[in-house]
Amino acid sequence: QITLKESGPTLVKPTQTLTLTCTFSGFSLSTSGVGVGWIRQPPGKALEWLALIYWDDDKRYSPSLKSRLTITKDTSKNQLVLTMTNMDPVDTATYYCAHSPKGGSCYFDWGQGTLVTVSP
Amino acid sequence: QSALTQPASVSGSPGQSITISCTGTSSDVGAYNFVSWYQQHPGKAPKLIIYEVSNRPSGFSNRFSGSKSGNTASLTISGLQAEDEAYYYCSSYTSISTLFGGGTKLTVL
Repeated sequence: QITLKESGPTLVKPTQTLTLTCTFSGFSLSTSGVGVGWIRQPPGKALEWLALIYWDDDKRYSPSLKSRLTITKDTSKNQLVLTMTNMDPVDTATYYCAHSPKGGSCYFDWGQGTLVTVSP
Repeated sequence: QSALTQPASVSGSPGQSITISCTGTSSDVGAYNFVSWYQQHPGKAPKLIIYEVSNRPSGFSNRFSGSKSGNTASLTISGLQAEDEAYYYCSSYTSISTLFGGGTKLTVL
């Protein structure tokens, strides 16, 4: 059974850096073809793809957010981390991590999501 | 890159069929057979229902089907059931990034 769980602060102040951790089980991020991505969803709004890290440590970022995002993985701990700098109230959203066994082309398994609110 | 275009809402009666469109460009939907669809019920995480244009994850209902023509992908749900009422999002993977559509709210009348 594959599970993913996001963790991190629920409240951050504007200009701060957000650090989110995704802890997963049931698959290995060292297996060829596997990727794990981050997707967010502002309240009442659509999904927005943020970043993806591949089994070989290759990374992809949303072009509009690339300068603010960093994604890393710790294969031994079955974890990955997303950092987003210079947080703004418009970044208030539920942040999901999700597993892709197909090279990042789609996400078969999702975490429950974690709501991050950006407010002074 | 802009988000993919979906109708904001569609509706249908139980037992009927509906189709949700997803329009992109020749750089995303039209260029790759990596269109996927997600179902999201309120307060829940999205669930993959179609991948690579027309494939269903193991065990998922065959009432859901996907197709693509040019720059537009489509999701068809046949034999509508009350539990199909949800938001549906399309997605297109490219070598650079992944795009999502704006989402379509399906109402089962």
